[in-house]
Amino acid sequence: DVKVTQSSRYLVKRTGEKVFLECVQDMDHENMFWYRQDPGLGLRLIYFSYDVKMKEKGDIPEGYSVSREKKERFSLILESASTNQTSMYLCASSSRTGANVLTFGAGSRLTVL
Amino acid sequence: KNEVEQSPQNLTAQEGEFITINCSYSVGISALHWLQQHPGGGIVSLFMLSSGKKKHGRLIATINIQEKHSSLHITASHPRDSAVYICAVRSPLYADKLIFGTGTRLQVFP
Repeated sequence: DVKVTQSSRYLVKRTGEKVFLECVQDMDHENMFWYRQDPGLGLRLIYFSYDVKMKEKGDIPEGYSVSREKKERFSLILESASTNQTSMYLCASSSRTGANVLTFGAGSRLTVL
Repeated sequence: KNEVEQSPQNLTAQEGEFITINCSYSVGISALHWLQQHPGGGIVSLFMLSSGKKKHGRLIATINIQEKHSSLHITASHPRDSAVYICAVRSPLYADKLIFGTGTRLQVFP
């Protein structure tokens, strides 16, 4: 019954490393999103994509990039990780024709040392 | 000031108690969502509302569009209801992207 899968639940990286967070959905959803969640701040949108090879900046895109080469896969890339990118990262997807209800992955907790 | 405010931030209850979590928002919306996040991170969508009231099992969500306010009620609470409950609104003002509250952490003790 797994619908949105994030490749890593926990990662520890060093400052300056390149980090890939992978997200795969099996619901044929058009829309995919990357959020980060920090205590006291709620979820904040980093990037989203409404179609293959299409991406749009969210509210906090600085320091991140994304890739959507296939409909089911949306990757978040930290080109050079920094300590202020330590956070919980959540991927979500939704159908364009549905009720815009998001289905979330289990989250990836990233620690940058 | 956040566009979406939840109260209380933290809530503890004894098993069986009736629980209310509140959400107020300051923007015009097309829909309001209630989400549940269990320890470990995964988020589940509970309700999407644009008016009135919805019920699913022991959970009831209401919305008052004029007052820009929604409530999530849990009847006969149980320890497995312990989670963070998040309110989010979808607003045309923000190109229909979701704006999230900071969540209410609920702990239900046996």
